[in-house]
Amino acid sequence: QLVLTQSPSASASLGASVKLTCTLSSGHSSYAIAWHQQQPEKGPRYLMKLNSDGSHSKGDGIPDRFSGSSSGAERYLTISSLQSEDEADYYCQTWGTGIQVFGTGTKVTVL
Amino acid sequence: QVQLQESGPGLVKPSETLSLTCAVSGYSISSGYYWGWIRQPPGKGLEWIGSIYHSGSTYYNPSLKSRVTISVDTSKNQFSLKLSSVTAADTAVYYCARGEGDSSGWFPGEFDYWGQGTLVTVSS
Repeated sequence: QLVLTQSPSASASLGASVKLTCTLSSGHSSYAIAWHQQQPEKGPRYLMKLNSDGSHSKGDGIPDRFSGSSSGAERYLTISSLQSEDEADYYCQTWGTGIQVFGTGTKVTVL
Repeated sequence: QVQLQESGPGLVKPSETLSLTCAVSGYSISSGYYWGWIRQPPGKGLEWIGSIYHSGSTYYNPSLKSRVTISVDTSKNQFSLKLSSVTAADTAVYYCARGEGDSSGWFPGEFDYWGQGTLVTVSS
């Protein structure tokens, strides 16, 4: 079964970096994912597509502070130089043969 | 720039059918891509409902499949969601989104543009 696992929360200080993890279920380590940001009271915003080899393509207007990387079944989103507006929920998404799956989301708090 | 806007009743009675429409601007649906519906119950995460290709091929969440119908109207550049036999558990913010194709091109992949969402409450 295709499942994505995310930690519920993460925090870092203003100007620091934070690294979020999205883990693919067993047997799906080659799958690509997408990262989405959801600021409070707003709809999700597409950040990037992240492939198993770590290559990624960002959405329109996404700052260079957002980057992605991969290792095995884990997909990472690193946010550098944290800004107050980065305080949000971050969801990973993947897809199989005609199905879509979202992770449970990670809430990022900027200290 | 691609923009999506959801519309429909904000209140639906239990056992009735929820109907929403997503109007697309900045891109012609008939030109390609997949078009999807996702929902988010209050205080919870995102749940995929289903997606449709511009040609009409549909893909549904197995847990909702028996109650969901997604259709596309290329003449109006919009697509629609119908969810039947609703209960309070269907109360959520409903989002529409555009989806890229996967690496094979035969199935939907990542969602790259989202609407702002519309809250639908199921209550008598």
